[in-house]
Amino acid sequence: DAGITQSPRYKITETGRQVTLMCHQTWSHSYMFWYRQDLGHGLRLIYYSAAADITDKGEVPDGYVVSRSKTENFPLTLESATRSQTSVYFCASNRDIGEKLFFGSGTQLSVL
Amino acid sequence: KQEVTQIPAALSVPEGENLVLNCSFTDSAIYNLQWFRQDPGKGLTSLLLIQSSQREQTSGRLNASLDKSSGRSTLYIAASQPGDSATYLCAVANAGNMLTFGGGTRLMVKP
Repeated sequence: DAGITQSPRYKITETGRQVTLMCHQTWSHSYMFWYRQDLGHGLRLIYYSAAADITDKGEVPDGYVVSRSKTENFPLTLESATRSQTSVYFCASNRDIGEKLFFGSGTQLSVL
Repeated sequence: KQEVTQIPAALSVPEGENLVLNCSFTDSAIYNLQWFRQDPGKGLTSLLLIQSSQREQTSGRLNASLDKSSGRSTLYIAASQPGDSATYLCAVANAGNMLTFGGGTRLMVKP
């Protein structure tokens, strides 16, 4: 009963490097989301996906890329990491519109 | 653009007290509202979800109410316990699955 898992739990990288954060869910939920959480800004939506091969931008998509080739996986890639992308990243999923949202435990990313 | 505000930002109460957390939103055309709990270093856990057609939802010692017309929701916690200490966030959905989160209320319940 894994639910929704994120990896890695912690990541330190340098500016300019490419970083991929992984998200895997075992419920076959249709919808998946990436949020970042920052002091002073709260939780902000980066990208979301309604199904495999369907993705769309959220509030703060610049500098991020997502893909969803399989229903259960929704990786988030920082193409060229910047210090402003230092944050805690949460993946979330739900079965359908209007249903409860389930979150992973988060990835704490530090860009030096 | 929807804005969600939670007051107070932090709250400290003695064990056993009944307490109310507040959430207000600027656009009343919401689809639903969720209350979440977040423990330090952890993800969010959905506590209660209220659809726009509902007035309240209850789960154990938790009761959430929704007044769409005034743009307000409250989370009532009865007989608070130290284990209730966490940050509580509300989030509203205006269209489908797009949530806007409030800044949260950090609750500490002292034994």
